[in-house]
Amino acid sequence: EVQLVESGGGLVQPGGSLRLSCAASGFTVSSNYMNWVRRAPGKGLEWVSVIYSGGDTYYTDSVKGRFTISRDNSKNTVYLQMNSLRAEDTAVYYCARNYDISGPAFYWGQGTLVTVSS
Amino acid sequence: SYVLTQPPSVSVAPGQTARIICGGDNIATKSVHWYQQKPGQAPVLVVFDDSDRPSGIPERFSGSYSENTATLTISRVEAGDEADYFCQVWDSNSDHRVFGGGTKLTVL
Repeated sequence: EVQLVESGGGLVQPGGSLRLSCAASGFTVSSNYMNWVRRAPGKGLEWVSVIYSGGDTYYTDSVKGRFTISRDNSKNTVYLQMNSLRAEDTAVYYCARNYDISGPAFYWGQGTLVTVSS
Repeated sequence: SYVLTQPPSVSVAPGQTARIICGGDNIATKSVHWYQQKPGQAPVLVVFDDSDRPSGIPERFSGSYSENTATLTISRVEAGDEADYFCQVWDSNSDHRVFGGGTKLTVL
């Protein structure tokens, strides 16, 4: 059974850092396209970042230079390192799996809440 | 950057048909995917590659194109269909995934 379990969210002050984890089971993350998607309060879904099976990474413009996506194949886990956090980064962050480059996210985790506030 | 436009809200009575549109430049050249999200839950894929349904999604959910607009149609709407619906594509120019702003479906 495919499962994605996010962790690492919490309350952080503006300018602080957090690292989110997405532990996968039932498939191999290194053979798939793994995304982070967020939903801020009162807003819609926003794609944040992707890591391709080949290792290429991409980011939405608002997080470029502040967030870094990576994976640990030995742990079958994807990470999102978030630095220089801003109030507007407050959201539930979801990990999601694509089979291919243009395909949909068939599988989603339950999400982890990140709150950036002083 | 590529933009997808959805109406903020759609309302429909139970048993009727809901149509949620998603507009974007040359959208017919892209594969459009649709997600349903209920409060406090993760998104669920309901239609992919324009008109295919994942296993377990009722046939009442269907996708189509017309001119420069993709449409999610929900037939025989039920109270349990009340949710936010988002369209999504992959923008090959930027390698970014793009979501529409979302449409809140209200079942009257």
